[in-house]
Amino acid sequence: EAGVTQFPSHSVIEKGQTVTLRCDPISGHDNLYWYRRVMGKEIKFLLHFVKESKQDESGMPNNRFLAERTGGTYSTLKVQPAELEDSGVYFCASSLSGGASYEQYFGPGTRLTVT
Amino acid sequence: GDSVTQMEGPVTLSEEAFLTINCTYTATGYPSLFWYVQYPGEGLQLLLKATKADDKGSNKGFEATYRKETTSFHLEKGSVQVSDSAVYFCALDRGSTLGRLYFGRGTQLTVWP
Repeated sequence: EAGVTQFPSHSVIEKGQTVTLRCDPISGHDNLYWYRRVMGKEIKFLLHFVKESKQDESGMPNNRFLAERTGGTYSTLKVQPAELEDSGVYFCASSLSGGASYEQYFGPGTRLTVT
Repeated sequence: GDSVTQMEGPVTLSEEAFLTINCTYTATGYPSLFWYVQYPGEGLQLLLKATKADDKGSNKGFEATYRKETTSFHLEKGSVQVSDSAVYFCALDRGSTLGRLYFGRGTQLTVWP
């Protein structure tokens, strides 16, 4: 069974540009999470989808970030326009259902560098 | 708010040494506690978990006990191997049905032969 995949693995963009990150969850997983780790700091929650609906987006830093999950399958996270402080590793995770009883499976992450 | 504090790294050990990585948490309610591991070039993997006080999670020789009285979940292994070199993250789930995880900063472990 394929795991969670993320694309691209690395992205280097200039301040002010737009970047779109993609996450493909494990097939059949209704719950999809985005997290971010800024260098040297903790991994922080960004948002949570259940199927195509945003269940919790309280971790989104500002309105430059837009997440979508069309059809309840893959998800995209767009940053527009990117700022220097957006640099970090963006992780996606999926789980069969919500709650601590269900393991979250993580992708390898997308390393975003904004110069 | 809910948070996790884990010991600063990096931690460097010789093979077969004893490992402890400290983790303490702040949370309301009855959180579940986790240790995740990230090997080079890979995503985070669940290493072990404990869902209630005094539970012990264990996997691959690693252990951690949920101590509510000290709000701690320290990771231990009696004899580390080179293959254990990775970044270790302590995390909690506050116990809702949402599944949002709160992570610590991660501890880089390097084991030398």
